[in-house]
Amino acid sequence: DTAVSQTPKYLVTQMGNDKSIKCEQNLGHDTMYWYKQDSKKFLKIMFSYNNKELIINETVPNRFSPKSPDKAHLNLHINSLELGDSAVYFCASSQRTGGAEKLFFGSGTQLSVL
Amino acid sequence: EDKVVQSPLSLVVHEGDTVTLNCSYEVTNFRSLLWYKQEKKAPTFLFMLTSSGIEKKSGRLSSILDKKELFSILNITATQTGDSAIYLCAAHGADGLTFGKGTHLIIQP
Repeated sequence: DTAVSQTPKYLVTQMGNDKSIKCEQNLGHDTMYWYKQDSKKFLKIMFSYNNKELIINETVPNRFSPKSPDKAHLNLHINSLELGDSAVYFCASSQRTGGAEKLFFGSGTQLSVL
Repeated sequence: EDKVVQSPLSLVVHEGDTVTLNCSYEVTNFRSLLWYKQEKKAPTFLFMLTSSGIEKKSGRLSSILDKKELFSILNITATQTGDSAIYLCAAHGADGLTFGKGTHLIIQP
């Protein structure tokens, strides 16, 4: 059973399109995240979300929006895709216990914008 | 702004060698430091350290945290080709988890 699963694994699309990436976790964690990994493998947080709070990295364009239908899901919607959006996007989840948390990552979605 | 710096950025060694990967951090309200291994896809968890001086071990891998000097090291002994990967260090602070740029380790047969 996959703990954190995201779909699709690969996404190729044209500039200007709108696309979504889905993420689900079956770990019962209370916090989920979206990370972007660029071509230099630098992993940077985009959003963190639990039932009470959405924290947005202020460098993330507002074309990106997370949507959480319930605690186990955090989808990423991207409007008006640009070439620079090409990257691998990772979903992750964690359970905050005593201030320390360990992230579990999904297998990533490789987005290519043409 | 929280910051994590890893060195070296890349490292090529021969099988059987021992390697030391470095990670320094500056975060507010430090809670923990984590090491991940990333091969083809998702980063996979290796260690989480919260206290100084306690060495975590898992087979040939070990890690130490120094909260006074704000750094951690990851040691891999008797390296194997399967150890080839990107090793990511992350510090958990007020801004959540901040990752370094990783060390790309290549083990040659």
